Amino acid sequence: SAVISQKPSRDICQRGTSLTIQCQVDSQVTMMFWYRQQPGQSLTLIATANQGSEATYESGFVIDKFPISRPNLTFSTLTVSNMSPEDSSIYLCSAWDGWNTEAFFGQGTRLTVV
Amino acid sequence: DAKTTQPPSMDCAEGRAANLPCNHSTISGNEYVYWYRQIHSQGPQYIIHGLKNNETNEMASLIITEDRKSSTLILPHATLRDTAVYYCIVRIKAAGNKLTFGGGTRVLVKP
Repeated sequence: SAVISQKPSRDICQRGTSLTIQCQVDSQVTMMFWYRQQPGQSLTLIATANQGSEATYESGFVIDKFPISRPNLTFSTLTVSNMSPEDSSIYLCSAWDGWNTEAFFGQGTRLTVV
Repeated sequence: DAKTTQPPSMDCAEGRAANLPCNHSTISGNEYVYWYRQIHSQGPQYIIHGLKNNETNEMASLIITEDRKSSTLILPHATLRDTAVYYCIVRIKAAGNKLTFGGGTRVLVKP
């Protein structure tokens, strides 16, 4: 099994600022995924992060708003840029195990924009 | 990925079996059925997955109908700690294939 650590676990930010969320996996993984979970809602995939290439964004999400880095096979960051109260959500990082059988999730970053 | 349909909520009694249904009538032959759950304020947790045979592990059993258009997750002896949102997802088991979460079933286990 894989262990995924996210930092910070929560934050309260001012509108107009940016927050970078870090995701660390305890083993090498090919792809990492970033999700958003708005209050009371299900998870929505933001993007898939591949090492050595640009992230692939889902419909409705753009790189200028959610830039992603993937410098190596165990680490990724998601930045939420120019935040507004509508960005208040839980952001989750995920990766598949080596057999592509089980996806593991971090505990999430609870973001509140005021 | 095929879409799934789950009841929005259900209650079950502590100690009894919880049977969670899922419809996936448009599932393709190479798509697996996955179940995850999300306990409040935590990241989703993998439960079980299957292709066409019934599967069992230490957490649950997965029953898939012969036509594969529906499945049932069975928690054999529900405890209060099983209170969570349960997600049924169909996915091709290949690298890069993402999980697409639907609304899930909010399960409340009552004493």
